[in-house]
Amino acid sequence: DGGITQSPKYLFRKEGQNVTLSCEQNLNHDAMYWYRQDPGQGLRLIYYSQIVNDFQKGDIAEGYSVSREKKESFPLTVTSAQKNPTAFYLCASSPRNRESNEQFFGPGTRLTVL
Amino acid sequence: RKEVEQDPGPFNVPEGATVAFNCTYSNSASQSFFWYRQDCRKEPKLLMSVYSSGNEDGRFTAQLNRASQYISLLIRDSKLSDSATYLCAVNGGSAGNTPLVFGKGTRLSVIA
Repeated sequence: DGGITQSPKYLFRKEGQNVTLSCEQNLNHDAMYWYRQDPGQGLRLIYYSQIVNDFQKGDIAEGYSVSREKKESFPLTVTSAQKNPTAFYLCASSPRNRESNEQFFGPGTRLTVL
Repeated sequence: RKEVEQDPGPFNVPEGATVAFNCTYSNSASQSFFWYRQDCRKEPKLLMSVYSSGNEDGRFTAQLNRASQYISLLIRDSKLSDSATYLCAVNGGSAGNTPLVFGKGTRLSVIA
């Protein structure tokens, strides 16, 4: 059963704590992405990685960190430096294709910081 | 990063109606265009890619106008199950594997 999994579905953390969101894919996709979605807002790109051991900042990278040690995994850490971490976090992947990059999303993680 | 803008909505239409959404993009170098559907509190799901010559998938038709830099989505014979938020997405550069830039979405409610 191929796809993208994110865990957990819901996550609650106290203010000031770092938290790591998991994203795994078995689609053999080279590229992976992290987006954040706030109510009534579009998706904003946090970080992306087009190949193992390499990643780039997106539009709102401050307060976040990532790693890409394996092709299948792209975890996102929300640090205490992120001012407004409560949001819906979406991970996506796409094949590394020069012509097109359809992105496929995981089910998302809803993070609430109390 | 260049922007992608959509009709704000919401669109409230009766069953069986035809509804059209537009989406404009500012990066003339963009090469890939998509429509996604997002249900409430769920992840976006790819609805269809948008090709230069236009393409159709059942009741859904997507078109691209490069000169005016917009894409459109037409839904014919609307069903209650079409109620969702529709997001357009455009790749952020001339290379195919640059990240997609998403519009904020247009909410559609199909009413019985």
